[in-house]
Amino acid sequence: DTGVSQDPRHKITKRGQNVTFRCDPISEHNRLYWYRQTLGQGPEFLTYFQNEAQLEKSRLLSDRFSAERPKGSFSTLEIQRTEQGDSAMYLCASSESGNIYNEQFFGPGTRLTVL
Amino acid sequence: ILNVEQSPQSLHVQEGDSTNFTCSFPSSNFYALHWYRWETAKSPEALFVMTLNGDEKKKGRISATLNTKEGYSYLYIKGSQPEDSATYLCAFKNYGGSQGNLIFGKGTKLSVKP
Repeated sequence: DTGVSQDPRHKITKRGQNVTFRCDPISEHNRLYWYRQTLGQGPEFLTYFQNEAQLEKSRLLSDRFSAERPKGSFSTLEIQRTEQGDSAMYLCASSESGNIYNEQFFGPGTRLTVL
Repeated sequence: ILNVEQSPQSLHVQEGDSTNFTCSFPSSNFYALHWYRWETAKSPEALFVMTLNGDEKKKGRISATLNTKEGYSYLYIKGSQPEDSATYLCAFKNYGGSQGNLIFGKGTKLSVKP
């Protein structure tokens, strides 16, 4: 399968714990995006990378969140000291920088539940 | 703040019914409008990228139209089947805005009963 993959698919954690999610984009895509979807909302942008450079972060990305893409391939999203409000579906997407309409290809998401 | 609205929030139809739903977006600085279909436990799947006023796109029984002057797009499904059950998301991209992100609506959840 050459689509975007995410791991884990589900994560249950206790409040205050740290969690890390991984995203593997489509191999020839140099742009990678993270979105969050909470109950009743559409996906909301968190951050994006072009190769290994993190080019944009939304105001939703608090200090407890950090994303990396060290070699310009896979990316990780870490949430420190999780709160119940962090419970959401975390989606990763990738695209080619030459795609002028920014068509993004999504993974299946990681569903986080914070107890 | 750019706002993308979708209606209705949910829709229940019988197999064989045709249906449509709406995506409204800011009409100024339009660049592109994306439609995605998201089935439970799967990845959101790109359906259409619409870029020009008056665009009409078709994929099997699903089609979409675009009016950038008034800021809306319609998605039509002809002869709905149970496998069409999914959440349909639209996402807007504007000129001069973020290079990175798409602005999504909340989606329309479609349930097709056999």
